[in-house]
Amino acid sequence: ELKVEQNPLFLSMQEGKNYTIYCNYSTTSDRLYWYRQDPGKSLESLFVLLSNGAVKQEGRLMASLDTKARLSTLHITAAVHDLSATYFCAVENSGNTPLVFGKGTRLSVIA
Amino acid sequence: EAGVAQSPRYKIIEKRQSVAFWCNPISGHATLYWYQQILGQGPKLLIQFQNNGVVDDSQLPKDRFSAERLKGVDSTLKIQPAKLEDSAVYLCASSLSSGLLNEQYFGPGTRLTVT
Repeated sequence: ELKVEQNPLFLSMQEGKNYTIYCNYSTTSDRLYWYRQDPGKSLESLFVLLSNGAVKQEGRLMASLDTKARLSTLHITAAVHDLSATYFCAVENSGNTPLVFGKGTRLSVIA
Repeated sequence: EAGVAQSPRYKIIEKRQSVAFWCNPISGHATLYWYQQILGQGPKLLIQFQNNGVVDDSQLPKDRFSAERLKGVDSTLKIQPAKLEDSAVYLCASSLSSGLLNEQYFGPGTRLTVT
């Protein structure tokens, strides 16, 4: 059974600081997704990582995937308040299968 | 391109009552998913449809939950009778199901409160 673990589950960081969220998963997969969820809202797709060594960047967020270590990271650079949200990683066993989500990391960026 | 539509957005019912949710996926998307998201947790799959057939319903509590996707487009999810622990957000997602990338697009969700 595929399991996905995220850490930390809660993260309070100061504006301007850097931090990394980790996502580990238990079985072989080469498809990993990062989503953002604001309170009371649905899931917004941030990144899709499809191969070992994949790295994608959008603004202050950068995601990477190491399929051999079964690890993905979401790195936040120079955090700003607008990044406050809950971030989920999700893993797909193979094509056209349901996503298995981590518990999410609730990020709060404070001045 | 219109996104995944869901209704209602909010629903409050008493335990033992029935409730139904509706989802209209993105046009042309063959695969439709229903997920349950309990407060403070990640979404968990309830059921997956490919066109109008069920692909995976292993985590659907079939004694009280049912779902259908007649004609392979819209889908309804029903709970009868509801329990307190069914309070959650019910998310519908759809995907194109072709090629290497099978990205799922999520609807706004239906927030259910069972009292």
